[in-house]
Amino acid sequence: DTGVSQNPRHKITKRGQNVTFRCDPISEHNRLYWYRQTLGQGPEFLTYFQNEAQLEKSRLLSDRFSAERPKGSFSTLEIQRTEQGDSAMYLCASSRLTSYEQYFGPGTRLTVT
Amino acid sequence: GQNIDQPTEMTATEGAIVQINCTYQTSGFNGLFWYQQHAGEAPTFLSYNVLDGLEEKGRFSSFLSRSKGYSYLLLKELQMKDSASYLCAPMDSNYQLIWGAGTKLIIKP
Repeated sequence: DTGVSQNPRHKITKRGQNVTFRCDPISEHNRLYWYRQTLGQGPEFLTYFQNEAQLEKSRLLSDRFSAERPKGSFSTLEIQRTEQGDSAMYLCASSRLTSYEQYFGPGTRLTVT
Repeated sequence: GQNIDQPTEMTATEGAIVQINCTYQTSGFNGLFWYQQHAGEAPTFLSYNVLDGLEEKGRFSSFLSRSKGYSYLLLKELQMKDSASYLCAPMDSNYQLIWGAGTKLIIKP
């Protein structure tokens, strides 16, 4: 396993700008998850893909957030018109179809100024 | 609703044993995960329990009681590198992990 990778590792942006993050899961993993985590809290579920299909999206998620996984491999998470409250660590995880154990990437830390 | 309850912080001494408790309420249940997360890093998998009882893996053990909605993580022979947050995450009927806020474990020499 080469592990889950995420890019960029850090992103500083001004309020109102759009940002896009990329996640490359472990190659044979069909499931891909996006989470958001703030200091002192556990990961907050954002959305989930099985292959290229987005099967679930958090009801708490603003319409400014969108995610894609066009070919069932890497995924992108876009945040439009960023707000200061979007500042957080964005984590990507992947798992096999036959197991629910999730392997996490190193995360992208977003700071909105 | 869905709820996870674990202590916010615990302190233990190097070489000792510590037990981190977790109680949960979820819509359906398909097992419970424990993850370790060092500061500034991503969570890493520790254990998965789907049946009642104790699962032992080296210095770490995890226990589950489905009827009580209760789990604990037991860490033996504590080392300084065990200082981290420990996240309890039951899996609901949709096979989604419901994450607690985690327990920050501080190990003192």
